[in-house]
Amino acid sequence: DAKTTQPPSMDCAEGRAANLPCNHSTISGNEYVYWYRQIHSQGPQYIIHGLKNNETNEMASLIITEDRKSSTLILPHATLRDTAVYYCIVSGNQFYFGTGTSLTVIP
Amino acid sequence: GAGVSQSPSNKVTEKGKDVELRCDPISGHTALYWYRQSLGQGLEFLIYFQGNSAPDKSGLPSDRFSAERTGGSVSTLTIQRTQQEDSAVYLCASTLQRGLTDTQYFGPGTRLTVL
Repeated sequence: DAKTTQPPSMDCAEGRAANLPCNHSTISGNEYVYWYRQIHSQGPQYIIHGLKNNETNEMASLIITEDRKSSTLILPHATLRDTAVYYCIVSGNQFYFGTGTSLTVIP
Repeated sequence: GAGVSQSPSNKVTEKGKDVELRCDPISGHTALYWYRQSLGQGLEFLIYFQGNSAPDKSGLPSDRFSAERTGGSVSTLTIQRTQQEDSAVYLCASTLQRGLTDTQYFGPGTRLTVL
């Protein structure tokens, strides 16, 4: 299974876009990129996933590079409630959650 | 519809005692995962069940840990002779079917504290 690398922490001003990067250089051709987030004391929550095309839903956008070795999760207008740990995961036989990126949205 | 539920939400036990943690997956979901999360850490995969297939136990940290899934639905994670290092949040997730496009739906977790 491909592993991922994320920065341990990021800050973002409220109302601004939050761009969370993820490297997954060993991703296989049929593996998807998933993003989840975990708000304190809750179970992880699905955000978005994609294979090679950019994806957008009501929560976020996912930009995957052409070589699929990295991706960026974009929260277009971050709010205080978006403060959470964000996990980037590459699917395969199992889901491997690393330590994610702790995003703090600052008022 | 109901999401994944776990019980108890909190469990405090003494070192050496056995504990059972329960997970009720979303109805119709064929795959079920157990993870644990120590304080400030990421999720650590423990075990998963897919339909009637033999479970993948490769993530279980020791033979004190075991899990069952009865009738393809409810799952119980059992920890025997608990140790203080077992203290963590234990999370359960289910997916409709285990495949490369499956989204995992997580329960709220059980916080286990071993004194």
